[in-house]
Amino acid sequence: QVQLVQSGAEVKKSGASVKVSCKASGYTFSKYGVSWVRQAPGQGLEWMGWISGYNGNTNYARKVQGRVTITIDTFTSTAYMEVRNLTSDDTAIYYCARDSNLAVAPDPFHVWGQGTMVSVSS
Amino acid sequence: DIVLTQSPDSLAVSLGERATINCKSSQSVLYNSKNKSYLDWYQQKPGQPPKLLIYWASTRESGVPDRFTGSGSGTDFTLTITSLRAEDVAVYYCHQYYSSPRTFGQGTKVEIK
Repeated sequence: QVQLVQSGAEVKKSGASVKVSCKASGYTFSKYGVSWVRQAPGQGLEWMGWISGYNGNTNYARKVQGRVTITIDTFTSTAYMEVRNLTSDDTAIYYCARDSNLAVAPDPFHVWGQGTMVSVSS
Repeated sequence: DIVLTQSPDSLAVSLGERATINCKSSQSVLYNSKNKSYLDWYQQKPGQPPKLLIYWASTRESGVPDRFTGSGSGTDFTLTITSLRAEDVAVYYCHQYYSSPRTFGQGTKVEIK
């Protein structure tokens, strides 16, 4: 079945970096993209960025631009999101979701990963 | 950025009764050439990722019970749960994918009265 499986929980210190993975299965990875969405404790959902599974094109939310990098490994059908210079405001559950391959033709998020908790302490 | 405002923030509904959630967009999310509104609805239960219920404003996702209905176009949208069941207790979010950055409403918490 179509699924996205994310890496496990992380605990980091302020100023450190974290890299979360999202492994896809059950579909052709290159025909779709991946978006990343985060949710701070008790809060709503925030879109962070997108990557095409076809050519690696990316698009980021202004809030995280320059501090977040999204990449893919087409050989392992895995997407990655790295967040640098972490602060306590980055403490959240990070979700990946299957998206369109085209930035100009986005899709609903039909498939979600299970989420990865990232905790940042000082 | 497009701002989505949901109302109410929370509501308590008796089992078997109707729950109605509204989502108002700060600008139209209707793609005229495709006659589609780029607006969808998600259900999130505690400890779980969001689950897609409705997309293109009114298309029910496969496997979603028909008591969930989406309506609206342009800037005003509604999610209706007819005959509320205990398993519908959750937070519901609208989301627009018309333009970047994608944005979500603040969420509406549905509880049993």
